[in-house]
Amino acid sequence: GQQLNQSPQSMFIQEGEDVSMNCTSSSIFNTWLWYKQDPGEGPVLLIALYKAGELTSNGRLTAQFGITRKDSFLNISASIPSDVGIYFCAGSNTGNQFYFGTGTSLTVIP
Amino acid sequence: GAVVSQHPSRVICKSGTSVKIECRSLDFQATTMFWYRQFPKKSLMLMATSNEGSKATYEQGVEKDKFLINHASLTLSTLTVTSAHPEDSSFYICSARGLAGMVEQFFGPGTRLTVL
Repeated sequence: GQQLNQSPQSMFIQEGEDVSMNCTSSSIFNTWLWYKQDPGEGPVLLIALYKAGELTSNGRLTAQFGITRKDSFLNISASIPSDVGIYFCAGSNTGNQFYFGTGTSLTVIP
Repeated sequence: GAVVSQHPSRVICKSGTSVKIECRSLDFQATTMFWYRQFPKKSLMLMATSNEGSKATYEQGVEKDKFLINHASLTLSTLTVTSAHPEDSSFYICSARGLAGMVEQFFGPGTRLTVL
């Protein structure tokens, strides 16, 4: 199946810093989802995006649906230690099957 | 809301045996459930999509006779790994999607399978 490329692959940041990551696809999607996964657990849905250009926030998290519909971005402001984990994007053009990104591993240094 | 459970959370079995993993949506009815496999430090790879009351749709390269999926009710799907081998060892995660046009998938906590 398709796989989406996420960048960066990993990040090491100081607590309090802002974080930006992105996800790109060769295909157009009409839905983007962002998940966070802690080790040994299932992913937890953070934000869902439904149309091009949409900007949606969930607390300190903000995600955007790229205008080209081939990319999406996730920002985390004022990072805290519990933000540590792997962040996955997922895209779909049918609403049924989602393709997952390669993941961005975030480490927050207190 | 939107809680999905999996059982067992961990299983160790001998080579050649079969293992059943259950996925339940606890507080909503799931018309569609998905089964994923995840290798260490890797992304989630979709194995199959199951709709309640019908046969599962398998992704290319996934053996349907080896990974049996049953979605007998709107709250339960099972994945049976038949004649398990060490290369089947992995983290298996299910997700569920609800009714009425929902597209978001909610994931279970995963099952760690180790085949000796």
